[in-house]
Amino acid sequence: KAGVTQTPRYLIKTRGQQVTLSCSPISGHRSVSWYQQTPGQGLQFLFEYFSETQRNKGNFPGRFSGRQFSNSRSEMNVSTLELGDSALYLCASSLGGVTNEQFFGPGTRLTVL
Amino acid sequence: DQQVKQNSPSLSVQEGRISILNCDYTNSMFDYFLWYKKYPAEGPTFLISISSIKDKNEDGRFTVFLNKSAKHLSLHIVPSQPGDSAVYFCAASVVNFGNEKLTFGTGTRLTIIP
Repeated sequence: KAGVTQTPRYLIKTRGQQVTLSCSPISGHRSVSWYQQTPGQGLQFLFEYFSETQRNKGNFPGRFSGRQFSNSRSEMNVSTLELGDSALYLCASSLGGVTNEQFFGPGTRLTVL
Repeated sequence: DQQVKQNSPSLSVQEGRISILNCDYTNSMFDYFLWYKKYPAEGPTFLISISSIKDKNEDGRFTVFLNKSAKHLSLHIVPSQPGDSAVYFCAASVVNFGNEKLTFGTGTRLTIIP
C-alpha cells in the first residue's frame, strides 16, 4: 500500500506570493489533516478534511485555506506569504479522523524569503 | 498558550535502559492522548494512544501512563534501542464524534547511547 505523498518536497517563495501544496492520502483514507511544524512551536494543527468537507480548523489566519477532492486528495493554499510562514507542512491521512492512527507524509519544506 | 507541554527538549539514555518521556497538559477537557515518533526528513509515525478512561496502555516495549489528576502523561520505552533515537511528540484531543483536532507538544529529542 502506497504511503502518503506530498508535492512538492521543497519550495522557495518570496513575501507576498501565494503557494499551493498537494497531498495524496493512502487509498481508502477519507480524512486528511494538515499541520505546520516550526522549531519553536512544534506541530500545529491547521485543518482537517473528511469527504470533501472541512471538519475542523486550527487557529491560523484566513490566508491559510484548503480543500479536498472527491478522490480524497487535498490541497493547502497560503496566500500573501509572510516570512513567518517558513515551515515544514505535513499532511496526514487516516480512516476516520485525527484520533485514529494518522499516517504522515514526508512534508513540504516551505521557505519564504 | 501552550496547552500541551513537553518540558524536556532532549533526553539521552543508555541502550538497554528505560527511557521516560514526559508530557503535561493544561486543558482538563482533553480525553484522548497519542504519542508520535519522528525521524529526520520523515513524517511522524504513530506509536501508541490512551483514552482518559484508562491509566495505562501497553504495546510491546512502549507503555503510556496517564495521571489525570496531575494532567500528566508519560511514555516508557523498555528496553531502549538505538533505533528509538528520534523526536517524540505527545498530542491531545477532546473526543467529539469526528469533530476533533490534535494539539501537539513541542517534542523531546531522544538519543540512545550505544
